[in-house]
Amino acid sequence: GNSVTQMEGPVTLSEEAFLTINCTYTATGYPSLFWYVQYPGEGLQLLLKATKADDKGSNKGFEATYRKETTSFHLEKGSVQVSDSAVYFCAPSPTFGTGTRLTIIP
Amino acid sequence: DAGVIQSPRHEVTEMGQEVTLRCKPISGHDYLFWYRQTMMRGLELLIYFNNNVPIDDSGMPEDRFSAKMPNASFSTLKIQPSEPRDSAVYFCASSNRDANTGELFFGEGSRLTVL
Repeated sequence: GNSVTQMEGPVTLSEEAFLTINCTYTATGYPSLFWYVQYPGEGLQLLLKATKADDKGSNKGFEATYRKETTSFHLEKGSVQVSDSAVYFCAPSPTFGTGTRLTIIP
Repeated sequence: DAGVIQSPRHEVTEMGQEVTLRCKPISGHDYLFWYRQTMMRGLELLIYFNNNVPIDDSGMPEDRFSAKMPNASFSTLKIQPSEPRDSAVYFCASSNRDANTGELFFGEGSRLTVL
């Protein structure tokens, strides 16, 4: 089955800092890869996805590239905002990583 | 679309009682997933269904847990008898594509506290 190793949190950054959250996976075949975000008191919601090797998913300034050679799908954002504070999950669906709690301070 | 609907949103019960959590998936979605989220273990996949049939229940913790999907618009997760270690947030999610490729749509979760 699929599994994922995700960067442990919590991560605290200042506003406008650069963000990287690491994610590596093992999978049977070539599944789609996803990043989900969870805001307090809510369920997870899709942030971005990539369906095949070398695809780049992007949304709301976040990006991640499907790297088959390194089995990675790291999440990046060039300039974070306070509103980005949430828990982020990497997934070769339907398996999820442990989640990384991100806090952005003004 | 109403999204995935879960009930109850909050449940407090005493050890030994039966707990039933309910889920209505998005209409037309033929995959349904149950997850449990705790601080210690993160988000764990318990079971998932395709066309109302359980496909993988390897994540179900033990015999006290059972899940059913009697029709395409309803699923239950039952814990009997409940124990304090079952306290968690339980999420239901649905998808219109297979588990390896489809986006999952999550409900808002059911927070269970077992005293």
